[in-house]
Amino acid sequence: AQKVTQAQTEISVVEKEDVTLDCVYETRDTTYYLFWYKQPPSGELVFLIRRNSFDEQNEISGRYSWNFQKSTSSFNFTITASQVVDSAVYFCALSEERRGNKLVFGAGTILRVKS
Amino acid sequence: EAGVAQSPRYKIIEKRQSVAFWCNPISGHATLYWYQQILGQGPKLLIQFQNNGVVDDSQLPKDRFSAERLKGVDSTLKIQPAKLEDSAVYLCASSLTGLAGVSGEQFFGPGTRLTVL
Repeated sequence: AQKVTQAQTEISVVEKEDVTLDCVYETRDTTYYLFWYKQPPSGELVFLIRRNSFDEQNEISGRYSWNFQKSTSSFNFTITASQVVDSAVYFCALSEERRGNKLVFGAGTILRVKS
Repeated sequence: EAGVAQSPRYKIIEKRQSVAFWCNPISGHATLYWYQQILGQGPKLLIQFQNNGVVDDSQLPKDRFSAERLKGVDSTLKIQPAKLEDSAVYLCASSLTGLAGVSGEQFFGPGTRLTVL
């Protein structure tokens, strides 16, 4: 069965600190895709990254980086030198190829960055 | 490029009333999704359309919820009659294809916040 767990309900950091958001997933498929979305107070979900199950290379995009480890079924997200504008709810999501493009989301992690 | 449009942004109704939400996807996107996001939870897929056909409606409460996408473009989601537990944000998303690995990235609209009193 598909399942995504984000154990951290809420994280508070001070600006310029690094922060890591955890994501653990469950799937029986060998071909699947993992995503991170950001939901700012305006409510719109903003796509950040998609990673397929055959690509375990870590990725860096500016202050954002992602660590995908199939051995631990984790897809963690790190923000380096956090900024107040990073304050939002962050969702990890999973889709299995055999289920089309259906996204299963975790419960989300609220990130509060204080100045 | 215009994003996914939704209206209204906010709606307050009393239980047992009916309500409808509208979504206009990104031009050219064949796949359209409706999600329900209850406060404090992640979005949950209600229904997925490929053009004007339903791909997945396994989590749609069909006794009260209905959705249509008649011409393969705009879509309407209806609740009749509404219950207190339907209070949530209803998100519409679209993607170029319905395949996660092939241009399947989903783009989300701003959502409609429904409050049922």
